[in-house]
Amino acid sequence: GAGVSQSPSNKVTEKGKDVELRCDPISGHTALYWYRQSLGQGLEFLIYFQGNSAPDKSGLPSDRFSAERTGGSVSTLTIQRTQQEDSAVYLCASSQNTGMDTQYFGPGTRLTVL
Amino acid sequence: GENVEQHPSTLSVQEGDSAVIKCTYSDSASNYFPWYKQELGKRPQLIIDIRSNVGEKKDQRIAVTLNKTAKHFSLHITETQPEDSAVYFCAATNDYKLSFGAGTTVTVRA
Repeated sequence: GAGVSQSPSNKVTEKGKDVELRCDPISGHTALYWYRQSLGQGLEFLIYFQGNSAPDKSGLPSDRFSAERTGGSVSTLTIQRTQQEDSAVYLCASSQNTGMDTQYFGPGTRLTVL
Repeated sequence: GENVEQHPSTLSVQEGDSAVIKCTYSDSASNYFPWYKQELGKRPQLIIDIRSNVGEKKDQRIAVTLNKTAKHFSLHITETQPEDSAVYFCAATNDYKLSFGAGTTVTVRA
């Protein structure tokens, strides 16, 4: 079946602009995660959605970052007033139920803030 | 929170030799330890995982060992092949929030 998809694959923006990144999880997966991968670094947890429960936003680095998940499926990560340090690859993952299930990753969105 | 350290950061091996990557974790409550492989420009993919109720798991040329007392776990790749060249990440969690190591870049020399 179709895996996790993300769009756009690449995004170049100017400092101070807002950006929206989209994630389509695997159909039927109730859990969705966003991670950030900076150059040469591991993956940093950002936010977790599980069904209709309130999301765990504890990994968001600042209040410029927000995310929503509509209808329990598609998710959008929004970064307002982008800064150069926001440049990274943003990865989305989904799992069937809880995090103890295998997390399947999307291809990522490479964000470059000039 | 959980802190995962991974060593070495780079590893070069001759084709056919073994590769070993080691990770340590800080939270004794962690009970799920996946390993991901990320080829250049590709998404991370799970290659093997282990839960705290077992000490070792093997899948063909890949094995993972877990020592809960010492809070460390290792990935072993035997008979390495060129297609094993990639970045490998270990991770640990006791719920849904995976904490990742910084990664090991493995290069298999032909």
